[in-house]
Amino acid sequence: QVQLVQSGAEMKKPGASVKVSCTASGYTFTRYYIHWVRQAPGQGLEWMAIINPSTGSTSYAQNFQGRVTMTRDTSTGTVYMDVSSLTSDDTAVYYCARDSVPAAQGHFGMDVWGQGTTVSVSS
Amino acid sequence: QSGLTQPPSVSGAPGQKVTISCTGSSSDIGAGSDVHWYQQTPGTAPKLLIYGTNNRPSGVPDRFSGSNSGTSASLAITGLQTEDEADYYCQSYDSSLSGSWVVFGGGTKLTVL
Repeated sequence: QVQLVQSGAEMKKPGASVKVSCTASGYTFTRYYIHWVRQAPGQGLEWMAIINPSTGSTSYAQNFQGRVTMTRDTSTGTVYMDVSSLTSDDTAVYYCARDSVPAAQGHFGMDVWGQGTTVSVSS
Repeated sequence: QSGLTQPPSVSGAPGQKVTISCTGSSSDIGAGSDVHWYQQTPGTAPKLLIYGTNNRPSGVPDRFSGSNSGTSASLAITGLQTEDEADYYCQSYDSSLSGSWVVFGGGTKLTVL
């Protein structure tokens, strides 16, 4: 079945970096955009970035520009998100999510989500 | 920080109808950008509920429906059931090229009394 499986929980100190992975299966990896969305404890959803797995082209929310890097490995069907200069405000559950239609057809919401990766930042 | 505005909470009795509003601007919903809705229960990932304003993915009951008007969108849930108790988020796209291209509402907690 179509699924996204994320890497495990991380605990980091302020100033450190974290790299979270998201491995796709059950569909053609290069055909669908992948997003990263995070959710701080008790808060709402915050969009971070998107990648076209076919071309590697990315777009970032202004809040994360320069601090977040999204990459992909087409040989393993995996997308990565690297967040640097972590602060306590980055403590959140990080989700990867797939666009619901192939890239050539536009954007119609995110229909497949990973299980979430908890990133905790504390000294 | 959210680009779209939702009421923090709504409530209704089983069998009743509730509506959740989502207010945007001329650069997102008002610009004709699609609106999608998600349902999230505690400890789980969001689930796509409505896409493209008023389309339901396979398996979503027709008790859920969406609509748009001007710079706002709404999610209606009829025949409320206890399992509908969850957080609901609207999502659209901001064409202003500032901030975030994908924007979410702050979320609305639905309580079934």
